[in-house]
Amino acid sequence: DAGVIQSPRHEVTEMGQEVTLRCKPISGHNSLFWYRQTMMRGLELLIYFNNNVPIDDSGMPEDRFSAKMPNASFSTLKIQPSEPRDSAVYFCASSSPRGYEKLFFGSGTQLSVL
Amino acid sequence: KQEVTQIPAALSVPEGENLVLNCSFTDSAIYNLQWFRQDPGKGLTSLLLIQSSQREQTSGRLNASLDKSSGRSTLYIAASQPGDSATYLCAVQTGANNLFFGTGTRLTVIP
Repeated sequence: DAGVIQSPRHEVTEMGQEVTLRCKPISGHNSLFWYRQTMMRGLELLIYFNNNVPIDDSGMPEDRFSAKMPNASFSTLKIQPSEPRDSAVYFCASSSPRGYEKLFFGSGTQLSVL
Repeated sequence: KQEVTQIPAALSVPEGENLVLNCSFTDSAIYNLQWFRQDPGKGLTSLLLIQSSQREQTSGRLNASLDKSSGRSTLYIAASQPGDSATYLCAVQTGANNLFFGTGTRLTVIP
């Protein structure tokens, strides 16, 4: 398996623009997580899906953030409108259906909002 | 709320030395603890996972221990190599979607 695949690897945009980050989890994994990593706050869980259903989105910072998982092999995280404080590395991770198993991370999307 | 602390924040050792990284957590009601490695500009790679009923896990030169009652875990790296240089993070899981990460220890192994 190719692992968790994220795109783009880098995104530079201007304040106010819409940003869409994409993730393809490992085939067969039914849990998907979106994390944000910054120097100041470390890794923060934004949202968690189980079987394509959002279970916990309490980490989503504002209404400007939204996430979808239309099927088992694809998820998006959208920021609209983007702000400079959204600049961070955004990671997608997935884990197996057995629960409480290892978490597999993608390589992340480095987002810079100017 | 669960808080995870890793000390030290950074560590430099000469190649070949054995070393220990520390992780502490405030709430002992955990399902498991994972140690991850993160290389610069990369995602996290899970190294070892210790279930709450286990005391330790080993993989090659790595050994992780868990003392749930005292809220502590250690990652022991034997015979360190320059390729071990990375940031090591521990994370405790308290529910299906609750994984609390420490801020990591940045390890540099000097050739």
